[in-house]
Amino acid sequence: DAGITQSPRHKVTETGTPVTLRCHQTENHRYMYWYRQDPGHGLRLIHYSYGVKDTDKGEVSDGYSVSRSKTEDFLLTLESATSSQTSVYFCAIRLTGSGNTIYFGEGSWLTVV
Amino acid sequence: GENVEQHPSTLSVQEGDSAVIKCTYSDSASNYFPWYKQELGKRPQLIIDIRSNVGEKKDQRIAVTLNKTAKHFSLHITETQPEDSAVYFCAASNNAGGTSYGKLTFGQGTILTVHP
Repeated sequence: DAGITQSPRHKVTETGTPVTLRCHQTENHRYMYWYRQDPGHGLRLIHYSYGVKDTDKGEVSDGYSVSRSKTEDFLLTLESATSSQTSVYFCAIRLTGSGNTIYFGEGSWLTVV
Repeated sequence: GENVEQHPSTLSVQEGDSAVIKCTYSDSASNYFPWYKQELGKRPQLIIDIRSNVGEKKDQRIAVTLNKTAKHFSLHITETQPEDSAVYFCAASNNAGGTSYGKLTFGQGTILTVHP
């Protein structure tokens, strides 16, 4: 599984509440990504990180923030969840030394009611 | 930024037939084109990829072709089997380096159904 885990795997939350999703890796990969997946849209990049405290926005970053205070953890925060943020969230890492391919975590199913 | 279009959105074939999924991309700087397979409720998994210095790549029943001039690439699955049924995504990225290194832009996905 390339040492990547996401938590929580499933969450139901209410509109307006803050939510944090965690991506944890054990293999010291530099690049980490957060994608969301919605029907008809494929996977869209929310934010990514290219090192500790180095992050940048993707194509659908509005309403989301991220933090990476240590190599192994990349946190995605919804400051005030909305129903439009109901989605499946995938964390991904870039596997160095393996053709630099992108490997996905198992996903986090978030429902905002 | 990069835009990737994928067709068809659904594809239904009989077992043993071939399946072809096509993608076009907009950014001529893109140089890496992976294909992912996603089964229901699972993570996307890389099945094959191609880089811009190669025109075709094969791995058993799966092949990918790339036409840089036309900016399109295709996935070919031969002798399809029911277990090939899944959602397939194409993607493109520019792996030339820099802080945005390797950001993938995905197509919308193709639902492939292989009927026994």
